[in-house]
Amino acid sequence: QVTLKESGPVLVKPTETLTLTCTVSGFSLSNSRMGVSWIRQPPGKALEWLAHIFLNEEKSYSTSLKSRLTISRDTSKGQVVLTMTNVDPSDTATYYCARILRDYDVLTGYYNTYYFDYWGQGTLVTVSS
Amino acid sequence: QSVLTQPPSVSAAPGQKVTISCSGSSSNIGSNYVSWYQQLPGTAPKLLIYDNHKRPSGIPDRFSGSKFGTSATLGITGPQTGDEADYYCATWDRSLSVVVFGGGTKLTVL
Repeated sequence: QVTLKESGPVLVKPTETLTLTCTVSGFSLSNSRMGVSWIRQPPGKALEWLAHIFLNEEKSYSTSLKSRLTISRDTSKGQVVLTMTNVDPSDTATYYCARILRDYDVLTGYYNTYYFDYWGQGTLVTVSS
Repeated sequence: QSVLTQPPSVSAAPGQKVTISCSGSSSNIGSNYVSWYQQLPGTAPKLLIYDNHKRPSGIPDRFSGSKFGTSATLGITGPQTGDEADYYCATWDRSLSVVVFGGGTKLTVL
C-alpha cells in the first residue's frame, strides 16, 4: 500500500526557513520511473507545483520559487525533504507531497507524461509573526 | 495566472453530461500527456485521468478524458452530488521544464 505523509511546522515566522518532510512507504525511491513532488495550495486557491526529485537526483523547481527551494531525498529513510527560505505570509498554504510517475517516449527522446497517482493528506503551514 | 486555462465553474443537472476544458499551448498540452484531478472539499486531490484518457483502477467510467491539439477536456456523464468538487488539469511544460496546473474548475450539480 502506497502512502505519503507530510510533516513539519504548523507556524513559521516571516523570513524564516520552512522545512517539510515527506515520508513514503509502499514504494521505492530507487525506481527511476517514480519520484516525489511537492505541491501547495493557498487557502481557497489553486494547486501550485513546487518541485520534484527522481532517482538519479534529477530535480526540477517552480520557475518563480526556484531561488528559495531545495528538494532532497534520503532513500534509506524513505524521506523527501523540501526547504523554502525567506518565507512570507503569501507562502501560507496546505503543502502536499505526491508520488509522481513519468514515462519516456523513445520516439521523441523526452519524458512526455508526468502525473501524480498518490497524495499525502497535506499539512497546513501558516506564515505569521 | 495559471499556464493552463480552465473555466472557474461549471454546473450540470443530474443525468446530463458536463465537460471541463483545459487550454494550453504547444509547449505543454500540445506535446505532453494531460492528467486530471478531483479535489473534494477539505481533502487532498485524487487522480482521475492520466495520459489524456486513461482511468486509474477504481475510477468509474462516468469520467472520461480527451485531448485535441493544445486543449484537453474532462467529461463527466451523469454527474452526482458526490461529484461536486474542484477539478484540475495538469501537464509538463517542455519550455519551462516544470509541471503546470490549471486554475481549477468548481463543479456544481444542480
